Amino acid sequence: DTAVSQTPKYLVTQMGNDKSIKCEQNLGHDTMYWYKQDSKKFLKIMFSYNNKELIINETVPNRFSPKSPDKAHLNLHINSLELGDSAVYFCASSQVDGRYEQYFGPGTRLTVT
Amino acid sequence: GNSVTQMEGPVTLSEEAFLTINCTYTATGYPSLFWYVQYPGEGLQLLLKATKADDKGSNKGFEATYRKETTSFHLEKGSVQVSDSAVYFCALSANTNAGKSTFGDGTTLTVKP
Repeated sequence: DTAVSQTPKYLVTQMGNDKSIKCEQNLGHDTMYWYKQDSKKFLKIMFSYNNKELIINETVPNRFSPKSPDKAHLNLHINSLELGDSAVYFCASSQVDGRYEQYFGPGTRLTVT
Repeated sequence: GNSVTQMEGPVTLSEEAFLTINCTYTATGYPSLFWYVQYPGEGLQLLLKATKADDKGSNKGFEATYRKETTSFHLEKGSVQVSDSAVYFCALSANTNAGKSTFGDGTTLTVKP
């Protein structure tokens, strides 16, 4: 069974479009995250939700809007896509205690043309 | 704020060589420390962790010791294999509720036969 799953795995779209990425975890974790990884493999946290509540919101353009319908799901909606949004986006989850590791999804490669 | 500095890459080694990837950190309090590995085309996965000073994490022949006095968590392996080729991330997490993780920039390791 896949612990953290994301859909789609690949997303190719044009500038100005709106797109969504979905994430689901079946680990029973209370905390979920979205990360952006650029072409140099740098990993940057974007958002974190704990039990459906937003707890970390890094400096991310407000074109990015996370939504957590329940604690097992965290979706990412992106409006008015720009070339610079091209990256790999990872969803992750963990237990609420920082001593526990994060479990990452397989990633969604977003390409904006 | 918290920060993680890890050895710049890329690192290229021959099979059976000894590996060290340096990682130092800056944090308030007593964080937990992690090494994650990212194989090509995949998400990050936990390699090993240590939650308190002098703890040694180990997995798949890799080891790292939590050194509070030098604020370090260097990753070592005695004999690398081609299959160890991946990107390695050092990370720390505050031992608090929903503690935010801070990741290093990643070190790309290539092992040649």
